[in-house]
Amino acid sequence: DAGITQSPRHKVTETGTPVTLRCHQTENHRYMYWYRQDPGHGLRLIHYSYGVKDTDKGEVSDGYSVSRSKTEDFLLTLESATSSQTSVYFCAISVGTSGSYNEQFFGPGTRLTVL
Amino acid sequence: GENVEQHPSTLSVQEGDSAVIKCTYSDSASNYFPWYKQELGKRPQLIIDIRSNVGEKKDQRIAVTLNKTAKHFSLHITETQPEDSAVYFCAAKAAGNMLTFGGGTRLMVKP
Repeated sequence: DAGITQSPRHKVTETGTPVTLRCHQTENHRYMYWYRQDPGHGLRLIHYSYGVKDTDKGEVSDGYSVSRSKTEDFLLTLESATSSQTSVYFCAISVGTSGSYNEQFFGPGTRLTVL
Repeated sequence: GENVEQHPSTLSVQEGDSAVIKCTYSDSASNYFPWYKQELGKRPQLIIDIRSNVGEKKDQRIAVTLNKTAKHFSLHITETQPEDSAVYFCAAKAAGNMLTFGGGTRLMVKP
């Protein structure tokens, strides 16, 4: 499982509240990603990181922010949760430091429900 | 940016038959194409991948083919078994180190 954990695994929150999801890895991989998974949409990239304090936006970044203050942790924050952000969130890491063929492995996921 | 289309969205086969899932991509610069299997309630698991410098890759009952000219790639599963039932996702590596995923195919293998 590439040493990836996510917390919490399940969360129910109310519209307008802030939410932070945590991804933790134990193998010192440089690249980390946050995806959301919704029926019919596959996996869509929210944000990714290519090093400590180095992050960039993905396809569906509106309403989300990220931080990476140390290699092992990548945090996803919903500043003010909305019902449209109800989803399953997966963290992933990329094995390798650079190049074209880095495999991605996923964490166990966090199911978030915004009421 | 990259766009990946995946077909069919659902596929039902009899145990022992073959299954084929097809994907097309838009960015001719894409050079890495992984396939993931996701069982219900679980994380996506990488099952096979192919790089742009080869046309086909096999691993036991699964194979992937790539046609760079037509910008499509396919997953082939032979001698399907009930445990092959899952959702399968294709992906293509877009700019940088990012993957763009297809919408997924739900494969059902009937005993």
